[in-house]
Amino acid sequence: QSVLTQPPSASATPGQTITISCSGSNSNIGDNYVYWYQQLPGTAPKLLIYRTDQRPAGVPARFTASKSGTSASLAVSGLQSEDEADYYCASWDDSLSSMIFGGGTKLTAL
Amino acid sequence: QVQLQESGPGLVKSSQSVSLTCSVSGDSIRHSGAYWNWIRHLPGKGLEWIGYIYFSGYTQSNPSLKSRVSLSVDTSKNQFSLELDSVTAADTAVYYCARTPPLFYDRSGFHFDSWGRGIRVTVSS
Repeated sequence: QSVLTQPPSASATPGQTITISCSGSNSNIGDNYVYWYQQLPGTAPKLLIYRTDQRPAGVPARFTASKSGTSASLAVSGLQSEDEADYYCASWDDSLSSMIFGGGTKLTAL
Repeated sequence: QVQLQESGPGLVKSSQSVSLTCSVSGDSIRHSGAYWNWIRHLPGKGLEWIGYIYFSGYTQSNPSLKSRVSLSVDTSKNQFSLELDSVTAADTAVYYCARTPPLFYDRSGFHFDSWGRGIRVTVSS
């Protein structure tokens, strides 16, 4: 059971917008940055979002993220088939003194 | 472009130790100011941060693993290493090394911008 809670799966039709949630607490998301990673099958995770809402160079603008209170979300607009992957949120947890990850959400383009 | 490459045994017997090494190219462990991490992907359970080491030898580890984890760095070889003691089947995972870029380490969190391809470690009985 992960400290950060994500839905195990999400799906949408190509071209639509899909949002993936990440729920935590005051000791992690509520007080710290949130990060998002994309993991394509058989590959290493790739950084999508850092410091809650910042996109690294090369990440398409259709990936956006935000947080409110103890929850964060990643939105993928104009969903493409190549976006099919596992998505993980992450944050520092003050109580655990550790970086923690959500359980991951498998995104499917129908 | 920073590249990281894990190496080590793919099969370890239960109760033994496993040692993994990460070789870095395209960046200098000694000079860049980056932090060097180990992360593992447990089958069916997602990602788990193991810990990081700085070029000076300063380390921080996940408290849930701290008693079994040793991190070391060899700046002359531009490598850093993980030793995990007393392994069990629960330690079977894909182990990744990853970089936290300079200036982005913060008490409010840090990210991993470059990753190795990962090495699968299986613990057998």
